[in-house]
Amino acid sequence: FVLTQPPSLTEAPGKTARITCAGDNIGTKSVHWYQQKAGQAPVLVQYSHTDRPSGIPDRFSESSSGNMAILTISSVEAGDEADYYCQVWDSSSDHPGVFGGGTKLTVL
Amino acid sequence: EVQLVESGGGLVQPGGSLRLSCEGSGFIFSDYGMNWVRQAPGKGLEWVSYISGSGSVIYYSDSVKGRFTTSRDNAKDSVYLQMNSLRGDDTAVYFCARGIMIRGVIGDSWGLGTLVTVST
Repeated sequence: FVLTQPPSLTEAPGKTARITCAGDNIGTKSVHWYQQKAGQAPVLVQYSHTDRPSGIPDRFSESSSGNMAILTISSVEAGDEADYYCQVWDSSSDHPGVFGGGTKLTVL
Repeated sequence: EVQLVESGGGLVQPGGSLRLSCEGSGFIFSDYGMNWVRQAPGKGLEWVSYISGSGSVIYYSDSVKGRFTTSRDNAKDSVYLQMNSLRGDDTAVYFCARGIMIRGVIGDSWGLGTLVTVST
């Protein structure tokens, strides 16, 4: 299973950033999203369409349909600048863990 | 507080072996499946392996299958990654991550990672 993300996205502070993740029928799967700031470990920011770990602001949300999933970050802040990865677990495979290639969000 | 601490990384020659460890604390270790994820310098995240809470189910990525072995010792709250026949493209930071496998989440908590460098 292959997940495709755009390599980069630039958004202005206060605007809404939409990070896409394309995959075959991804709308039927649970998609999870990670934020990774430079030099740090990844952090789970959104999972299973509607769930956010404690401490993650509700500016982060996720939607998916058909062959596209989208992580939406509203009112983007400088502190949101990071790499973002989508992830699915392909239970039909014997190598089920799949990450997208990542999107570098720049806040300018 | 959930903590994961990796160790065992270092410099190794091509064809060599290395064993990584990941010790967990702050949660009931045996209740969770664990994943290894790696990140080559300047590259994205790559899932490497999964082991269930009991250790009875193990998966590997195609890139490491046959060379890497994942195991765990729940009495020591630890998971291990035995890496053999190492190649240059195995050079990466290796993270362990606690899974929420019922949701298909590879990692709701992550360690800081340990760097493996394969080079002469």
